[in-house]
Amino acid sequence: SAVISQKPSRDICQRGTSLTIQCQVDSQVTMMFWYRQQPGQSLTLIATANQGSEATYESGFVIDKFPISRPNLTFSTLTVSNMSPEDSSIYLCSVNGQGGTGELFFGEGSRLTVL
Amino acid sequence: AQSVTQLDSQVPVFEEAPVELRCNYSSSVSVYLFWYVQYPNQGLQLLLKYLSGSTLVKGINGFEAEFNKSQTSFHLRKPSVHISDTAEYFCAVLFSGGYNKLIFGAGTRLAVHP
Repeated sequence: SAVISQKPSRDICQRGTSLTIQCQVDSQVTMMFWYRQQPGQSLTLIATANQGSEATYESGFVIDKFPISRPNLTFSTLTVSNMSPEDSSIYLCSVNGQGGTGELFFGEGSRLTVL
Repeated sequence: AQSVTQLDSQVPVFEEAPVELRCNYSSSVSVYLFWYVQYPNQGLQLLLKYLSGSTLVKGINGFEAEFNKSQTSFHLRKPSVHISDTAEYFCAVLFSGGYNKLIFGAGTRLAVHP
């Protein structure tokens, strides 16, 4: 299994500002995934981050709004730009388990509230 | 189109009663199947998974699930629930060729009452 640490765990932000969420993994991983969980909703994949290449975004998510960095095999950041109240969500970082079985390990999540 | 459906948004149940949380998927390709649990204010934890082999899969905390290919279902069961099982449960499916992209169901909130 992988141990995933996210910072911040929660934050309250003002409309129009940007916030960067950090994700640190205790082992080297090829792919890291960023999910969004809106209040009372399921998880929606935002993007897949590979080291050394640009992130791959899912339909409905764009790089200008959610820029992602992946400088090495154990770290990634997700920025939520120009926030609005609709961005209030839990943002979760996840990584694959070993063996390519599709199992994901999740961080505790970063709970953002935008006022 | 590939999709995952959790048929019940909420399931209330009394302590020590059995429970079944339903999950169906739509796919023309092979799948890997997962159940995750999310306790309040926490991240997701894997309960169990089906990759291949026996269709009855046992997981943590006394949960089990059965893969039924003909009915494209992967229902989660527990013979006797505890108050501590109160949480949100998510079914997730990895479709073959899905580049490790898990698709999650909408979730089922299990509320166990004394």
